[in-house]
Amino acid sequence: DAGVIQSPRHEVTEMGQEVTLRCKPISGHNSLFWYRQTMMRGLELLIYFNNNVPIDDSGMPEDRFSAKMPNASFSTLKIQPSEPRDSAVYFCASSLSQENQPQHFGDGTRLSIL
Amino acid sequence: GNSVTQMEGPVTLSEEAFLTINCTYTATGYPSLFWYVQYPGEGLQLLLKATKADDKGSNKGFEATYRKETTSFHLEKGSVQVSDSAVYFCALYNFNKFYFGSGTKLNVKP
Repeated sequence: DAGVIQSPRHEVTEMGQEVTLRCKPISGHNSLFWYRQTMMRGLELLIYFNNNVPIDDSGMPEDRFSAKMPNASFSTLKIQPSEPRDSAVYFCASSLSQENQPQHFGDGTRLSIL
Repeated sequence: GNSVTQMEGPVTLSEEAFLTINCTYTATGYPSLFWYVQYPGEGLQLLLKATKADDKGSNKGFEATYRKETTSFHLEKGSVQVSDSAVYFCALYNFNKFYFGSGTKLNVKP
């Protein structure tokens, strides 16, 4: 079975540019999560979706960040405009939305904003 | 509220040493508890889980017991290998949400 697929694996861009991160969850999973990982703050939940609907976006840091899930097999996290402090590894995870089901993580996108 | 506290790392051990990584939690109700492992350049992978008090999760030689009386879920392994070097995250699941600890880096030297 294919796991959670994220693209790109690495992204380097200049500040002010728009950045789009992509995620394909595991087929059949109906919950999807976006996380950010940094040395200073550890792993932070940004937003999660259930059945393509955003349930909790309280972790989204600013209006510059937005996330969409147009269908069950695709989600995007967009940063516009990007800033150097957005540099981090961004993970997508998916799970079944039943009790006690573990999250399955992608390999992440390492984002560097110059 | 819900939260997870892990021992700070890094933890450095010699091969075949005994490992303990402490994890305590705060939660309302009856959470499930998990350990995840992250190898360099990869995402988190589920290592083991326990869904109720006194349950023991185990996998690849690692074990953790859900202790409600001490609100703990310490990770143990009897004999670590160099390949166990990674970052370990304790997590709890409660009311449809995951809460992760800050992670503990383990370095195992040959």
